[in-house]
Amino acid sequence: AQSVTQPDIHITVSEGASLELRCNYSYGATPYLFWYVQSPGQGLQLLLKYFSGDTLVQGIKGFEAEFKRSQSSFNLRKPSVHWSDAAEYFCAVGAGQAGTALIFGKGTTLSVSS
Amino acid sequence: DGGITQSPKYLFRKEGQNVTLSCEQNLNHDAMYWYRQDPGQGLRLIYYSQIVNDFQKGDIAEGYSVSREKKESFPLTVTSAQKNPTAFYLCASTPRDRGNGIQYFGAGTRLSVL
Repeated sequence: AQSVTQPDIHITVSEGASLELRCNYSYGATPYLFWYVQSPGQGLQLLLKYFSGDTLVQGIKGFEAEFKRSQSSFNLRKPSVHWSDAAEYFCAVGAGQAGTALIFGKGTTLSVSS
Repeated sequence: DGGITQSPKYLFRKEGQNVTLSCEQNLNHDAMYWYRQDPGQGLRLIYYSQIVNDFQKGDIAEGYSVSREKKESFPLTVTSAQKNPTAFYLCASTPRDRGNGIQYFGAGTRLSVL
């Protein structure tokens, strides 16, 4: 079955500390992978995507993610977290074609402590 | 500015009432989607449409209906058959020939039951 698992429901990190959010997927075809961020009561904003090529991809707001095919993972990282990064983060996988749906994980809520 | 507009931002439904959520996009995207978001559940696909006058059921279509009479518009009706409609509803779209399946989201509509 196709699925996305985000093992951590809620993570708290100190401002300035590094961050890693985990994402594992199960997908029968070549995966197109995405990370989205959602602020409370808002829609989702694309942080970054992986389609092919270099397995380390850079996104907006200083985020990066690494695709590891052998581990079926696409973990999101940031070297130094800012208070404004507090939000909910979703990992998603798709077939890379318009008109096909994305499969989303259940999300990880990030809190930032001062 | 191009984007996806969802209205209203907040909506209240009475028992036995049908309500319609609006989704309009001026991005010239071909495919459009409706998702339901519940706390801790991630996004679940309700319906999607690849082209005008065509749409497919997603994972949780029961109690919902859609239409796609215009490329720009993809309204969602929550019918009285949907017994637990309280949720955050997100509309998304993606271009047909480019973008590799990246979905762009509206700001959402929060539906509550009176």
